[in-house]
Amino acid sequence: DTGVSQDPRHKITKRGQNVTFRCDPISEHNRLYWYRQTLGQGPEFLTYFQNEAQLEKSRLLSDRFSAERPKGSFSTLEIQRTEQGDSAMYLCASRPSGRQKETQYFGPGTRLLVL
Amino acid sequence: GESVGLHLPTLSVQEGDNSIINCAYSNSASDYFIWYKQESGKGPQFIIDIRSNMDKRQGQRVTVLLNKTVKHLSLQIAATQPGDSAVYFCAEKPSDSSYKLIFGSGTRLLVRP
Repeated sequence: DTGVSQDPRHKITKRGQNVTFRCDPISEHNRLYWYRQTLGQGPEFLTYFQNEAQLEKSRLLSDRFSAERPKGSFSTLEIQRTEQGDSAMYLCASRPSGRQKETQYFGPGTRLLVL
Repeated sequence: GESVGLHLPTLSVQEGDNSIINCAYSNSASDYFIWYKQESGKGPQFIIDIRSNMDKRQGQRVTVLLNKTVKHLSLQIAATQPGDSAVYFCAEKPSDSSYKLIFGSGTRLLVRP
C-alpha cells in the first residue's frame, strides 16, 4: 500500500498526558497537512509543511500542539497536557508540488480519546 | 467569514437511482473545489475535483457541477450503489491560501436496497 499511513490508528489517554502521532506521506509528496475532525464535522486545517518547513499554522493549533517534519518525509504531531476537548480524529494528508497537482490524499487518521 | 456548507445533512436514495449532493461556498476567491467520500472510521477518499475555470467535470459514475454565479457546487452520482453509502464532503481551496482546504460539515448518503 503506497498511500498515506498514520500511526497509531487509535489512542486513549488520560487528561494531562502527552501524545504523539506519526504520519508517513505518499512517497515524493513534499507537501504535508494535518487536519482535525470532530464527529459530524468536516476536517479543519491545523498546519502545513512544504518539505521540512512548517509554513502555516491555524489558530486552532494552540501552544500545546507542535508538529515537526525533520527530514521532509514523515511528520509528527504532539499534543502536550491533553484536554478532553482534544478528543477528535487527527488526519494527515499529502500532495506533490505543482500548481496542477492540488489533490490532497488523506490517511486513515488517528482517533484520540482523552478521558 | 469563509465557509463551505451543505443544504442536506442526510440524503436517502433507492439503489439504482441517481443522487445529487449540493454544497454552497462563500469565498468567491476559491479557485479549486474537491469532493471527498468518507466511510465510517476511515479517512476522506478523493472522488473528483474541479477548477474554477470549468463548470462541469465527469468521472466514472460521478459528475461535479460548479456554478460560480451563485457559488454552488454539486456532486451527481449515477446509478447509486450500496457501496456509495458514506458521508460526502465538499471542500474549497482559497486562491490566496497555502493550498489548505476548507471543508463543509458533510452530507450522509444512505442507499436503500
